[in-house]
Amino acid sequence: NAGVTQTPKFRVLKTGQSMTLLCAQDMNHEYMYWYRQDPGMGLRLIHYSVGEGTTAKGEVPDGYNVSRLKKQNFLLGLESAAPSQTSVYFCASSYSTPSVTEAFFGQGTRLTVV
Amino acid sequence: AQSVTQPDIHITVSEGASLELRCNYSYGATPYLFWYVQSPGQGLQLLLKYFSGDTLVQGIKGFEAEFKRSQSSFNLRKPSVHWSDAAEYFCAVGMTTDSWGKLQFGAGTQVVVTP
Repeated sequence: NAGVTQTPKFRVLKTGQSMTLLCAQDMNHEYMYWYRQDPGMGLRLIHYSVGEGTTAKGEVPDGYNVSRLKKQNFLLGLESAAPSQTSVYFCASSYSTPSVTEAFFGQGTRLTVV
Repeated sequence: AQSVTQPDIHITVSEGASLELRCNYSYGATPYLFWYVQSPGQGLQLLLKYFSGDTLVQGIKGFEAEFKRSQSSFNLRKPSVHWSDAAEYFCAVGMTTDSWGKLQFGAGTQVVVTP
């Protein structure tokens, strides 16, 4: 049982390049989330989705876009990467709201923008 | 605005000693409260959660946490630490008024276990 899988695990981008981070879950969860983790700041919510075809902005959405075309996948896009987007990105999913049911996290994607 | 504070950035504890990690929150009502653990190179794993009821909550791996409404705190404890408990620990808050279940995380406490 894979749980939440993030692809890729590591990436180095040049400023201005674009990329897409993929999150896939095999638990039939409705809710999916993208967080970024920075030293001393914990995890901050970028975007989230409460179902296929629906997305919403979180605390730090600027510079990112997301799509949820299939229930099991949640994509995070960087259109024009900036050094400030150097971070570790975590995807999470839950059956219902994480306040009620457990959120499961992927292992993270370490992104460096040079 | 809501906030979650973990006052200790880094804690060093000897193996076999007790551990207590502090978490304070600022919120207009009693929120949902969580503790997560992140082992090196891994994602976050839920240790325990509090929604209502008994203010002493038992979790996995021998951890427990106590909710104190008067102090707006949800401190995590373990009586005897094992080397495998070396990790980063995050307190998180879910707002009861948020139907989409977003969580707000503290900055984390790094725990180092010495022999």
